[in-house]
Amino acid sequence: AQTVTQSQPEMSVQEAETVTLSCTYDTSESDYYLFWYKQPPSRQMILVIRQEAYKQQNATENRFSVNFQKAAKSFSLKISDSQLGDAAMYFCAYRSSKLGTSGSRLTFGEGTQLTVNP
Amino acid sequence: ETGVTQTPRHLVMGMTNKKSLKCEQHLGHNAMYWYKQSAKKPLELMFVYSLEERVENNSVPSRFSPECPNSSHLFLHLHTLQPEDSALYLCASSQDRRTDETDTQYFGPGTRLTVL
Repeated sequence: AQTVTQSQPEMSVQEAETVTLSCTYDTSESDYYLFWYKQPPSRQMILVIRQEAYKQQNATENRFSVNFQKAAKSFSLKISDSQLGDAAMYFCAYRSSKLGTSGSRLTFGEGTQLTVNP
Repeated sequence: ETGVTQTPRHLVMGMTNKKSLKCEQHLGHNAMYWYKQSAKKPLELMFVYSLEERVENNSVPSRFSPECPNSSHLFLHLHTLQPEDSALYLCASSQDRRTDETDTQYFGPGTRLTVL
């Protein structure tokens, strides 16, 4: 079974600075998908960024980028120019590439609470 | 706004009550999910429906009963719950991968459930 680990329960960053959130995962599969979701105080789970394991290029989405190290099974999220609105719980998630809906199961990490200081 | 709505947003119920949570998606997806989010625990997948058929039941107690009358609506019927069932219940939807490679899950805002 796949597992996802976020070793940083809490992180803080100054506004306009850069912060990196860590995520590692364990799988025996070679093809899969990785996600970062953000959950602000409103509790709405919002997709931040997605990475396909077969792509070597790291995904980027505006101020958000990932460092995907497949051999190390590491998937960190970098937030540049941090803004107050970035304050939230961030979850790393894994999804198999297997066909069928059972392959759509998301396995989540425990989350990292990010605080942005003005 | 992700295109997935949930009602009610907050619910307080006694252990003998019967209530239902509702989820509706406006994204044209064909798969829907129920997740449970408890304090200091990762999200736990409870049920998966694809094309209105339940395809996964993650060993959830029978006091939780899902219903998917069509591809846009998903219910979670609750009866004789326990205090430890208090949690945030999240609904999500996606396009089933049997028909589309892109099946990122989009989440609703959740229902905060408190069982007294």
